[in-house]
Amino acid sequence: EIVLTQSPGTLSLSPGERATLACRASQSVSSSYLAWYQHKPGQAPRLLIYGASSRATGIPDRFSGSGSGTDFTLTISRLEPEDFAVYYCQHYGGSQTFGGGTKVETK
Amino acid sequence: EVQLVQSGAEMKKPGESLKISCQGSGYIFTSYWIGWVRQMPEKGLEWMGVIYPGDSDTRYSPSFQGQVTISADKSISTAYLQWSSLKASDTAMYYCARRVYDSSAYFLDYWGQGTLVTVSS
Repeated sequence: EIVLTQSPGTLSLSPGERATLACRASQSVSSSYLAWYQHKPGQAPRLLIYGASSRATGIPDRFSGSGSGTDFTLTISRLEPEDFAVYYCQHYGGSQTFGGGTKVETK
Repeated sequence: EVQLVQSGAEMKKPGESLKISCQGSGYIFTSYWIGWVRQMPEKGLEWMGVIYPGDSDTRYSPSFQGQVTISADKSISTAYLQWSSLKASDTAMYYCARRVYDSSAYFLDYWGQGTLVTVSS
């Protein structure tokens, strides 16, 4: 079973700063099957990125995804107040695992 | 407009049974897999399983196999998650989500609003 490890667990940043979130797979995975979601308290998770680097409909271009093999990255180029949330990577595979999440909090 | 609308919050006692629902609209319900995701208090998202309403093909995460039952009634565009005997550890928020295959990628594009299940004596 593939395990996704996200780092850091918490990222403390200020609005306007750049956020770099990592997702590492326990074995090489297809980029096509790697997605990122944003989750805010009291809301349903929201799809941000699919296929490792394709932005979902309506997602601002400050969000970008990259990576291949075992290492993937979600980058938020300039944090807006509404971007403070928990972010999860997910791999579609036998178990369709989620990573443990990275919380982006206000510094 | 695609929507997944889940049933309301539930408060149950240990040992009781429960079935929560997720009704889809705005798309062809039988053409997309519906997945279920658990979020325990203060924890992350966990994949539980998925069903294809077209033929009720169901796949479970190993962690949830035998613990829950996923089903669907395509005549009313509704997927279900059920427990035969709840435990306190089933206390969580449960989300349904539509799984899409597009551009050679799989992802969950629409999500229900979540159903909070509280199990306490």
